[in-house]
Amino acid sequence: KNQVEQSPQSLIILEGKNCTLQCNYTVSPFSNLRWYKQDTGRGPVSLTIMTFSENTKSNGRYTATLDADTKQSSLHITASQLSDSASYICVVSGGTGANNLFFGTGTRLTVIP
Amino acid sequence: NAGVTQTPKFRILKIGQSMTLQCTQDMNHNYMYWYRQDPGMGLKLIYYSVGAGITDKGEVPNGYNVSRSTTEDFPLRLELAAPSQTSVYFCASSPERTGWETQYFGPGTRLLVL
Repeated sequence: KNQVEQSPQSLIILEGKNCTLQCNYTVSPFSNLRWYKQDTGRGPVSLTIMTFSENTKSNGRYTATLDADTKQSSLHITASQLSDSASYICVVSGGTGANNLFFGTGTRLTVIP
Repeated sequence: NAGVTQTPKFRILKIGQSMTLQCTQDMNHNYMYWYRQDPGMGLKLIYYSVGAGITDKGEVPNGYNVSRSTTEDFPLRLELAAPSQTSVYFCASSPERTGWETQYFGPGTRLLVL
């Protein structure tokens, strides 16, 4: 069964600290993996897309890693800011059907001053 | 360029009522999608369309209908609202099949069925 699991479900960190969010998936065949940021009351916005051959990809203070062998990805946020408070959703593209996107349930990050 | 727009932002329905959630994109994208997001759950695909005149069911289509008469518009119809349809609904679009293309999401419609 194609699934995407994220951990932790929620996380609270102090402003300026770093954090890492995890994503494990069982989607096969694998096409790519993307991380979305979803602010409260808004639609998800893409942070990064990673293909099979990419191990690390950065977007400002966000760094995503992908281990296609173990089917794991992480999103590392450096020097967190209050504006980083949001849900972070891991989405894996793959499978064999027309519905080829599989969404994780997200990690709710709260950055406090 | 407004991207993906959705109306209304919020709606309260009584059980058995019907309504249409509107979605419009101005990016000339072929693919459009409707998702629902329940608290603590991942987005679930309701319906999608690969172009004007073509629609297909997603993971949770029961209780919903869609149409795609133009490239820009992809309305979602609820015929007989039920409490189980209380959710936040997101419309999204992408240039091609989302194997490689980014999806662009609208701001969402929050629906409460009482």
